[in-house]
Amino acid sequence: AQKVTQAQTEISVVEKEDVTLDCVYETRDTTYYLFWYKQPPSGELVFLIRRNSFDEQNEISGRYSWNFQKSTSSFNFTITASQVVDSAVYFCALSEADNQGGKLIFGQGTELSVKP
Amino acid sequence: NAGVTQTPKFQVLKTGQSMTLQCAQDMNHNSMYWYRQDPGMGLRLIYYSASEGTTDKGEVPNGYNVSRLNKREFSLRLESAAPSQTSVYFCASSEHRASSGNTIYFGEGSWLTVV
Repeated sequence: AQKVTQAQTEISVVEKEDVTLDCVYETRDTTYYLFWYKQPPSGELVFLIRRNSFDEQNEISGRYSWNFQKSTSSFNFTITASQVVDSAVYFCALSEADNQGGKLIFGQGTELSVKP
Repeated sequence: NAGVTQTPKFQVLKTGQSMTLQCAQDMNHNSMYWYRQDPGMGLRLIYYSASEGTTDKGEVPNGYNVSRLNKREFSLRLESAAPSQTSVYFCASSEHRASSGNTIYFGEGSWLTVV
């Protein structure tokens, strides 16, 4: 069965701290895709990154970095030197190649609060 | 730079009333989706349209109908609203099916309350 688990419901940090958001997924497919989305207080969903199952290279984009490890079925997201503007709910999501419907399976989200 | 536009942004309905949520995308995407977001449940797929002329049920289709009016527009209709349909609704689109690894882009959400 496919599933995405974000065990951290809420995280609170002080500005400039580093923070890692955990994402663990379950799938039987060998080809799949992983995503992170950000939902700021205004409510929209903003796409951050997509990773396919054949590409385990870590990715860095500015203060954001992602660590994809197939051996542990994890796709963790780290924010370095956090800022107040990073305060949001972050969702990890999974799409499977065998799912012809194209359903995106979401975790329950992690609410990050960055305090000044 | 519109992307995915959905209307209305806020709506209050009485139980039993009907309404249609409108969605349009300007990215020439083939696939479109309707999701709902409930506290502690993440987002769940209601209906999707893999391409113009086709629609299929997602995880939670009961109580909803959809119409893919053309390539740009995908509407969601609540025929007889129920309090359980109080939620935030997101329209989304992708160039092709998400199962092909395509990124899904979301609209800004529609807050619906059924009293």
